[in-house]
Amino acid sequence: GDSVTQMEGPVTLSEEAFLTINCTYTATGYPSLFWYVQYPGEGLQLLLKATKADDKGSNKGFEATYRKETTSFHLEKGSVQVSDSAVYFCALRGSSGAGSYQLTFGKGTKLSVIP
Amino acid sequence: EADIYQTPRYLVIGTGKKITLECSQTMGHDKMYWYQQDPGMELHLIHYSYGVNSTEKGDLSSESTVSRIRTEHFPLTLESARPSHTSQYLCASSVAAENQPQHFGDGTRLSIL
Repeated sequence: GDSVTQMEGPVTLSEEAFLTINCTYTATGYPSLFWYVQYPGEGLQLLLKATKADDKGSNKGFEATYRKETTSFHLEKGSVQVSDSAVYFCALRGSSGAGSYQLTFGKGTKLSVIP
Repeated sequence: EADIYQTPRYLVIGTGKKITLECSQTMGHDKMYWYQQDPGMELHLIHYSYGVNSTEKGDLSSESTVSRIRTEHFPLTLESARPSHTSQYLCASSVAAENQPQHFGDGTRLSIL
């Protein structure tokens, strides 16, 4: 079945540092890929998405590129802020059958940004 | 912005009580989902629905039940709460089309004493 593996945390960075959170996946066909963010005490918010190979999703300074050759969707940001402190989830949505409706999530990576 | 609402946000209640967690969405989405999120952050799908009168169990076995009588409403019920049910419960919805994300509510944090 489908699976998502993401970098284990927690990750602690200083403000303005460069962020990379690794995410790799296993899936048949051509899944859609997502990054979600969860701030303390809240639900998940969609951060960005990519639906086909070589697509780049971007939002709020975050970027991720759908790399089919390496089955990866790494999240990056050039300069993190304290307000980026949250838990980040990589997820995929399958391209066929029942899996095309459900999301498969990674285990989440907690990011703490210190001033 | 997605319009999906969960109530209550927080609930502390004693063992043996019947609990219903409410989830409503105003987007007309056919697909709805319930996740349980453990303290280690990992999300587990416990129930989903593809439309009215459709409900299925998810990957993680749960003693809770769900119903889908109306498109916009997907409540989750625990007949007799136990401390092992203490967790955060997240509701989500999506359209049927491929490549579209799920939209999440803010969750209900449930504590069973």
